[in-house]
Amino acid sequence: DAKTTQPPSMDCAEGRAANLPCNHSTISGNEYVYWYRQIHSQGPQYIIHGLKNNETNEMASLIITEDRKSSTLILPHATLRDTAVYYCIVRGFRGGGADGLTFGKGTHLIIQP
Amino acid sequence: EPEVTQTPSHQVTQMGQEVILRCVPISNHLYFYWYRQILGQKVEFLVSFYNNEISEKSEIFDDQFSVERPDGSNFTLKIRSTKLEDSAMYFCASVRDKGNEQFFGPGTRLTVL
Repeated sequence: DAKTTQPPSMDCAEGRAANLPCNHSTISGNEYVYWYRQIHSQGPQYIIHGLKNNETNEMASLIITEDRKSSTLILPHATLRDTAVYYCIVRGFRGGGADGLTFGKGTHLIIQP
Repeated sequence: EPEVTQTPSHQVTQMGQEVILRCVPISNHLYFYWYRQILGQKVEFLVSFYNNEISEKSEIFDDQFSVERPDGSNFTLKIRSTKLEDSAMYFCASVRDKGNEQFFGPGTRLTVL
């Protein structure tokens, strides 16, 4: 799976959009971009994933650049409960597809009141 | 909403003892995983399990570790002879089908004294 690079930490004001960048310049054509988050030692929580088109769900939007070398997770109206470590994970599917996720250090997003 | 559950939430054991960590994955899921997170460090993949056998395992998952799905609902991780460095949060996860998001449990905090 391709390596990802994320800033170690970011601040965002409550109610504003939080934009979390991720670089994945070595991504290959069949690899997806996944985002998970972990709130204070709880189990990681899935947010969103995409291949090449932008995606939106009830939690967030995912913008993937046309060359797929980077992406941005957008939390449109951040709340204090969004304070967490956010992980960008690039993942392909080998064999039967039961591959584990490779977590990096992620971005610690702190929402300021 | 269905969720992955784990027991116990906290396990304290003496070095050299055997421990069994238990997980109940979401009922119609087919792929199962164990991860661990040493305090202050990254979430690390240990093993994946599908169709009653190990699909993939990391270097961490040595002969001291084993997994089992004894009764079609529980999914267990056994550490045969615990070491101090096994102290960590252990997360179980499950997936309905490959490519779908992994659902994580709340974790078991293992403390080895």
